[in-house]
Amino acid sequence: DAGITQSPRHKVTETGTPVTLRCHQTENHRYMYWYRQDPGHGLRLIHYSYGVKDTDKGEVSDGYSVSRSKTEDFLLTLESATSSQTSVYFCAISESTEHYEQYFGPGTRLTVT
Amino acid sequence: ELKVEQNPLFLSMQEGKNYTIYCNYSTTSDRLYWYRQDPGKSLESLFVLLSNGAVKQEGRLMASLDTKARLSTLHITAAVHDLSATYFCAASNYGGSQGNLIFGKGTKLSVKP
Repeated sequence: DAGITQSPRHKVTETGTPVTLRCHQTENHRYMYWYRQDPGHGLRLIHYSYGVKDTDKGEVSDGYSVSRSKTEDFLLTLESATSSQTSVYFCAISESTEHYEQYFGPGTRLTVT
Repeated sequence: ELKVEQNPLFLSMQEGKNYTIYCNYSTTSDRLYWYRQDPGKSLESLFVLLSNGAVKQEGRLMASLDTKARLSTLHITAAVHDLSATYFCAASNYGGSQGNLIFGKGTKLSVKP
């Protein structure tokens, strides 16, 4: 298995509070991604990173920000959580030399009450 | 804008039968990926298809790619219960740079004895 961990694995938080999810990899892959998975929507890309300090928006980036200060860590922040952000969040990594095949972390289940 | 459609979204099969899942994508894409997800789990990479006419097989699963028709298929031969899962296809976006993928909504496969 690719060395990808996500923390926390489960979180319950209240509307309006800030939340940060962490993705950590030990594969030294250049590309990292954050997705959310909701019933009926499949996976949707939130933000991605193509190197340290290089990030860009995905399909559903509103309400989310990211940071990547080290190759191995990619953080996803919900500045002020809303109930619509209740979801399962997956981190993924890829490398161009592997045809950008994405390897996924175990996921974080976030509930915003 | 790249869009990916899978059908069917739900598939109930009997053990021993054959079936095909279809994945259509709307614009040119140079790579096509298939993933498997078990309930409550992460996504597992199954196949990466890189060129027109590509065919890959693993056990009872065979994936193919027709870039002219913008169609990929995942064929299941002699289904067994262990194949019950949700299967996603994904096509590469941005001409393949940065590895961004657009996912279909998934096909939930249930194999019954």
